[in-house]
Amino acid sequence: GESVGLHLPTLSVQEGDNSIINCAYSNSASDYFIWYKQESGKGPQFIIDIRSNMDKRQGQRVTVLLNKTVKHLSLQIAATQPGDSAVYFCAEKAAGNKLTFGGGTRVLVKP
Amino acid sequence: DAGVIQSPRHEVTEMGQEVTLRCKPISGHDYLFWYRQTMMRGLELLIYFNNNVPIDDSGMPEDRFSAKMPNASFSTLKIQPSEPRDSAVYFCASSLAKGLLNTEAFFGQGTRLTVV
Repeated sequence: GESVGLHLPTLSVQEGDNSIINCAYSNSASDYFIWYKQESGKGPQFIIDIRSNMDKRQGQRVTVLLNKTVKHLSLQIAATQPGDSAVYFCAEKAAGNKLTFGGGTRVLVKP
Repeated sequence: DAGVIQSPRHEVTEMGQEVTLRCKPISGHDYLFWYRQTMMRGLELLIYFNNNVPIDDSGMPEDRFSAKMPNASFSTLKIQPSEPRDSAVYFCASSLAKGLLNTEAFFGQGTRLTVV
């Protein structure tokens, strides 16, 4: 999938370091949030989700934080690996199960 | 399950021609979404269905675009006539609503459309 763009923010991180990707969402009525990872030539792949009644959720090497007050979502990747290089999207769902995506952040892992 | 299956993977067509993109959602999923991805606009939701019924088509750019879901296992997105600015990667995704709980959407590999 062509997920890169001239205006796509890029995060360069050293292998082994932690990565933090930020996302501002727009709809205060959104009650469900998802982080997706998209590698070149592929469709977005689910990483982790969080419901609006939670502030934090942890997965394997990933943590999502939700701050509803400022409508901010972040994804933390621990011990970033070369395989983590991809474009990361946050997505929000409001009523009706409509899933809306943010613009994406490219993560480049340097060896 | 093989996941969401889209066809074709690549399509090159001439301006003015009709293009039909196909999607088979994950069996049992009751939501189906069509997205378009471009460098300039990112991932845009075009239309989505619930139980084969179109719920929101506000993202469909023009009347040249139409989508159908004749049954729970098949959906099409048609562009007629196609224009060069329609060139993009088109993704289909499906999800399952578990009562009031939302669940993640699973994406297909996409169809890369090039209109020349």
